Amino acid sequence: DTAVSQTPKYLVTQMGNDKSIKCEQNLGHDTMYWYKQDSKKFLKIMFSYNNKELIINETVPNRFSPKSPDKAHLNLHINSLELGDSAVYFCASSFRANLYGYTFGSGTRLTVV
Amino acid sequence: AQSVTQLGSHVSVSEGALVLLRCNYSSSVPPYLFWYVQYPNQGLQLLLKYTSAATLVKGINGFEAEFKKSETSFHLTKPSAHMSDAAEYFCAVSDHHNQGGKLIFGQGTELSVKP
Repeated sequence: DTAVSQTPKYLVTQMGNDKSIKCEQNLGHDTMYWYKQDSKKFLKIMFSYNNKELIINETVPNRFSPKSPDKAHLNLHINSLELGDSAVYFCASSFRANLYGYTFGSGTRLTVV
Repeated sequence: AQSVTQLGSHVSVSEGALVLLRCNYSSSVPPYLFWYVQYPNQGLQLLLKYTSAATLVKGINGFEAEFKKSETSFHLTKPSAHMSDAAEYFCAVSDHHNQGGKLIFGQGTELSVKP
């Protein structure tokens, strides 16, 4: 009955590889997000989708491509992984985020070696 | 543009002592403000939120925060710290017309609780 679930929880991969992280929410929310948390714990928004439409696309390398097949799913594909991509990636969802905030997934720790 | 600043990247208190975590915001309009907690190896969990109703907001686990417009602050407090409160705490701000519901997070404050 997990509200926002991400897979995998841990991902270790070599530089240059392509990898995907999946996210699903069962809360009926209409907006989903990807945030990146760096080694200093700083959280920065990457993307936001509302009902499958891309709303926010921050300054993120185009090696990162989000995909939302429906409003309950938001996946993140990363091409040509670099050492600097190592971080924890959080998926979140919301309904009227301004009023109610987000529900976060438990994160995916990506390590690029 | 909205922003939040959390004073002190690390706060240490003794068990039973008052917890005070500071957050100041910058916003050209009355903001919506949030506090989140992150336990090790977990996602962020909403503690409480201010959305222009009562200025003193009560949250989960005995935490509360007071919105002070004159000081542009939204500090988080708890009267008596428990060992289980040790975690990372984040203040976040949104605004009324924020497209896509974007939240901007502060840099976080790590709370340590000593026995």
